[in-house]
Amino acid sequence: AQSVSQHNHHVILSEAASLELGCNYSYGGTVNLFWYVQYPGQHLQLLLKYFSGDPLVKGIKGFEAEFIKSKFSFNLRKPSVQWSDTAEYFCAVVYSSASKIIFGSGTRLSIRP
Amino acid sequence: DAMVIQNPRYQVTQFGKPVTLSCSQTLNHNVMYWYQQKSSQAPKLLFHYYDKDFNNEADTPDNFQSRRPNTSFCFLDIRSPGLGDAAMYLCATSIGRDEQYFGPGTRLTVT
Repeated sequence: AQSVSQHNHHVILSEAASLELGCNYSYGGTVNLFWYVQYPGQHLQLLLKYFSGDPLVKGIKGFEAEFIKSKFSFNLRKPSVQWSDTAEYFCAVVYSSASKIIFGSGTRLSIRP
Repeated sequence: DAMVIQNPRYQVTQFGKPVTLSCSQTLNHNVMYWYQQKSSQAPKLLFHYYDKDFNNEADTPDNFQSRRPNTSFCFLDIRSPGLGDAAMYLCATSIGRDEQYFGPGTRLTVT
């Protein structure tokens, strides 16, 4: 079955620490990959996306993600987090065989000032 | 600014009393989605319209219905809301399988 896994449910970091959030998806052919963020009280918005080409993609607010096809992974990274990065982060996949997006269960990121 | 608009932002209904949530978009996207999101959980897809084609998720209760009278508008009807239907309902749009644009959501309370 097509699925997306985010293994970290809650991550707590201090400001300036480096961040890496894991995302793995099940095999199912060609995929489009996304990271969405939901800040407290706000709507979901796109951080970055990967369709093809350079597997290292850069998004807004200093975030980047790397697509590793052999590992079915699309991990999100940021070299130095800020308190304002406190939010829920969702990895999502659209398989070419389907017209709908599949969300991971989300990772809550808390940043200590 | 092009956007996805949801009305109302907050809706309170009584147990068993039908309720309709609305979504409109100025993006002219061909795909529209309805999600249910409960606290600290991922959005759960209820159904989506790909152009005029309606796609219902297998586990979406019959209590939930949807209408898309034109490209810009989409409605979510809950025929007999139960306490378990209290949640945030999100509308989103996309062009095909590209990124989705989400509205601010409607928070539904069932009393």
